[in-house]
Amino acid sequence: GAVVSQHPSWVICKSGTSVKIECRSLDFQATTMFWYRQFPKQSLMLMATSNEGSKATYEQGVEKDKFLINHASLTLSTLTVTSAHPEDSSFYICSALKRTVYNEQFFGPGTRLTVL
Amino acid sequence: DQQVKQNSPSLSVQEGRISILNCDYTNSMFDYFLWYKKYPAEGPTFLISISSIKDKNEDGRFTVFLNKSAKHLSLHIVPSQPGDSAVYFCAASDGGSEKLVFGKGTKLTVNP
Repeated sequence: GAVVSQHPSWVICKSGTSVKIECRSLDFQATTMFWYRQFPKQSLMLMATSNEGSKATYEQGVEKDKFLINHASLTLSTLTVTSAHPEDSSFYICSALKRTVYNEQFFGPGTRLTVL
Repeated sequence: DQQVKQNSPSLSVQEGRISILNCDYTNSMFDYFLWYKKYPAEGPTFLISISSIKDKNEDGRFTVFLNKSAKHLSLHIVPSQPGDSAVYFCAASDGGSEKLVFGKGTKLTVNP
């Protein structure tokens, strides 16, 4: 199997606070994980590529100082939304890359962030 | 600039009939295409994929067709079942990248 979990599944926070979201690959090791953001009725937008043991690679327009990514182990990547604002409210989804013939991405269940 | 486009935001079909979901792409470097199914408040789950060296891939009730000259692919579900009701995302990647580019999704409703 290839199971990816995310924690928390939903979080509500006040403006100005920071929120950490965890992404874990439960039954395989993932040197590469991806973080996506989805607005209602929109596509999944890739925010960054998380690489174990090295710095994340951010997509154009994504503030790396606002969305801190740490990939400290082969099974865990974290996304920290710093100084959150209401416009950061969104559905955040991670995926873990399982390197096979096809290099498949397996997705977590997502985290709903609401910033008040 | 949307490189992967799903122009139909929604589709409604009767149980037992065929569902056809369409996807167009603009990047000629894309060589691998995937369909994902997503329920509300859940992450996408992989459904079926196709490499650019093929024009058809079938897995049970699901078939994906690829027309490279038209830069178009479609997902056929037959027969459609109420449990197929979900949002379907088309995604693409090129051989040199592990990244996926997603379309906006099509919400499929299969009516009993």
